[in-house]
Amino acid sequence: DAGVIQSPRHEVTEMGQEVTLRCKPISGHDYLFWYRQTMMRGLELLIYFNNNVPIDDSGMPEDRFSAKMPNASFSTLKIQPSEPRDSAVYFCASSLAEDPRDGYTFGSGTRLTVV
Amino acid sequence: KQEVTQIPAALSVPEGENLVLNCSFTDSAIYNLQWFRQDPGKGLTSLLLIQSSQREQTSGRLNASLDKSSGRSTLYIAASQPGDSATYLCALPPGALTFGSGTRLQVQP
Repeated sequence: DAGVIQSPRHEVTEMGQEVTLRCKPISGHDYLFWYRQTMMRGLELLIYFNNNVPIDDSGMPEDRFSAKMPNASFSTLKIQPSEPRDSAVYFCASSLAEDPRDGYTFGSGTRLTVV
Repeated sequence: KQEVTQIPAALSVPEGENLVLNCSFTDSAIYNLQWFRQDPGKGLTSLLLIQSSQREQTSGRLNASLDKSSGRSTLYIAASQPGDSATYLCALPPGALTFGSGTRLQVQP
C-alpha cells in the first residue's frame, strides 16, 4: 500500500479564496482523521470519520471549515473563505480501528499558506 | 479529557549519548500509546506502539516503556546519532489521538 496520500503538498492562496485539501486513506482503514499543526498550538484534531460518517467535529474552528468523506477511499477538507490565520500544515491519518493494534498512519501533510 | 505532557521541550546532546524522553498523561484508561518522529517540514513517522497490556517495546536502538498506573511513558534512545535529530511526539487514542507538544532533539556530531 502507498500509505496515506495527501494532495496538494503545498498550497499558496490569497485570503478569501476557497481551498480544498484531499486525502486518500489506506485501503481497508475504517477511521480517517484530519489534524492541523501550527507552531503555537501543535497538533490539533479537526475532525474524524468512522466508516465515512463524521464522529467528532468539535475541533473544526468555525463554519468556514467543512470536511466530507463521500466514500471509503477519499476525503476532503475545505476552507471557504480562507484567512491568513488558517496557514498551517494539515495532516490526514487513518487507522484500522479505534483501538488499532497497528497504530495510526499519517500522510505527508499539506502546507497551506494564505496571504 | 486526556492531557499529554512531554518533558523536556528541547534537548541537545553530543553524539553517542544515551537519552530518555518523557511523556506523561492524565487518564490512565488508555488502549495504547504511540511514539512518532517528525523531521523539520515533514510528516509523522511511527516509531513504536505499546499496547496497554505491554510494558515495553523495542526497535533497534529505541526502547519505549509504559507505566499506566503512574501515567508515564519513556522513550530511550541508545547511542544517539546526528540522524536522530528530530521532534519526538507521543500520542494516545482512543479514537482521535491526543498529542504531546513534543521534544525537539538535537544530536551534535
